[in-house]
Amino acid sequence: EADIYQTPRYLVIGTGKKITLECSQTMGHDKMYWYQQDPGMELHLIHYSYGVNSTEKGDLSSESTVSRIRTEHFPLTLESARPSHTSQYLCASSEQGNEQFFGPGTRLTVL
Amino acid sequence: RKEVEQDPGPFNVPEGATVAFNCTYSNSASQSFFWYRQDCRKEPKLLMSVYSSGNEDGRFTAQLNRASQYISLLIRDSKLSDSATYLCVVNPSNTGKLIFGQGTTLQVKP
Repeated sequence: EADIYQTPRYLVIGTGKKITLECSQTMGHDKMYWYQQDPGMELHLIHYSYGVNSTEKGDLSSESTVSRIRTEHFPLTLESARPSHTSQYLCASSEQGNEQFFGPGTRLTVL
Repeated sequence: RKEVEQDPGPFNVPEGATVAFNCTYSNSASQSFFWYRQDCRKEPKLLMSVYSSGNEDGRFTAQLNRASQYISLLIRDSKLSDSATYLCVVNPSNTGKLIFGQGTTLQVKP
């Protein structure tokens, strides 16, 4: 089993609230990723990081932001949640060129 | 055109059947390839990597055809527990950024 954790697992929140989705891994991987996935749809990369203090936007535009202050921690923040942000958010990590290991995901609902 | 294309299915097969999925990719310089499995409302998990020479893991066989830019997954003797969505995944540049296909849904019936 991969040692990558996400909290909360489920979050229901009102419009306009600021939220932070947590992701941590204990494998020492330099590379970490955030994906967004709607039911029955493909994963879309929204952010990635190749190491501490390195963050890049992914292929799908997102209003969220990320930070990478420590190797093991890659939180995602939404400053003002909207119903259009309702989705599942999956965090993953990998070593150089290798397969990605996924966390269990956070299912976000914005009312 | 999507970078990775899969038939979404669903593929409905009886237990014990052999089923094959194909996937095409657009970037001929792609470096590595994987099949992931995703159960309903769960995270994707690596099923197997796909090597140029083809590889087998129990009832599962993966093949890569670089000339035609497609990847296949063959499942023999299907089990009920094989019911899931199978994601074709391509690493186009060995940077670690993976491109995921939409997935092919398999439903194995008793």
